[in-house]
Amino acid sequence: GAVVSQHPSWVICKSGTSVKIECRSLDFQATTMFWYRQFPKQSLMLMATSNEGSKATYEQGVEKDKFLINHASLTLSTLTVTSAHPEDSSFYICSASSAGVVVYEQFFGPGTRLTVL
Amino acid sequence: AQKITQTQPGMFVQEKEAVTLDCTYDTSDQSYGLFWYKQPSSGEMIFLIYQGSYDEQNATEGRYSLNFQKARKSANLVISASQLGDSAMYFCAMREGRYSSASKIIFGSGTRLSIRP
Repeated sequence: GAVVSQHPSWVICKSGTSVKIECRSLDFQATTMFWYRQFPKQSLMLMATSNEGSKATYEQGVEKDKFLINHASLTLSTLTVTSAHPEDSSFYICSASSAGVVVYEQFFGPGTRLTVL
Repeated sequence: AQKITQTQPGMFVQEKEAVTLDCTYDTSDQSYGLFWYKQPSSGEMIFLIYQGSYDEQNATEGRYSLNFQKARKSANLVISASQLGDSAMYFCAMREGRYSSASKIIFGSGTRLSIRP
């Protein structure tokens, strides 16, 4: 099946620093990648959708200057949390889809747990 | 308005029994897709089953079946012969509109299923 990886799997940082999370599709070209945030005991909330080579589309209420998304290639998207604060601590999950793979499915990465001290 | 409603925050089931997880949805689109995902404590999202709005037969995947009641806008997940490894969070999700690789998936609030030995 299609595999999506995320790096790092967990990260702890100090308040005010920036953190970059990578999402890679390992065995397929991802036309679109999605970034979700999940707080403890809550559901996944879509943050943004990114298509390779174009600007990400952010969901309402998500600060685009704080959560920078880059989708520079068909296999890599990055999420940078700028000037992170404790309230940004969360589980961040990416997913990827491609018209060339199973037509209805998004493939999820294993997630990145961010803790901001 | 909430698009996906899961009314059971938590359920306990005896091992080997069947269990039904409820999901209702709201959409004005004629074309849509419904998903169920399993999220164990590790955090990974595991795709279980998919039902397209035009699919006439209920989807089945091994021990999982989706009870699709289109007129009632419900898409309940049935797990037959539950196992201890089925203990996890379960999310119902929906894609609105005709499929494209950029289609967003919206998640319900989830149901935590616990299997008793």
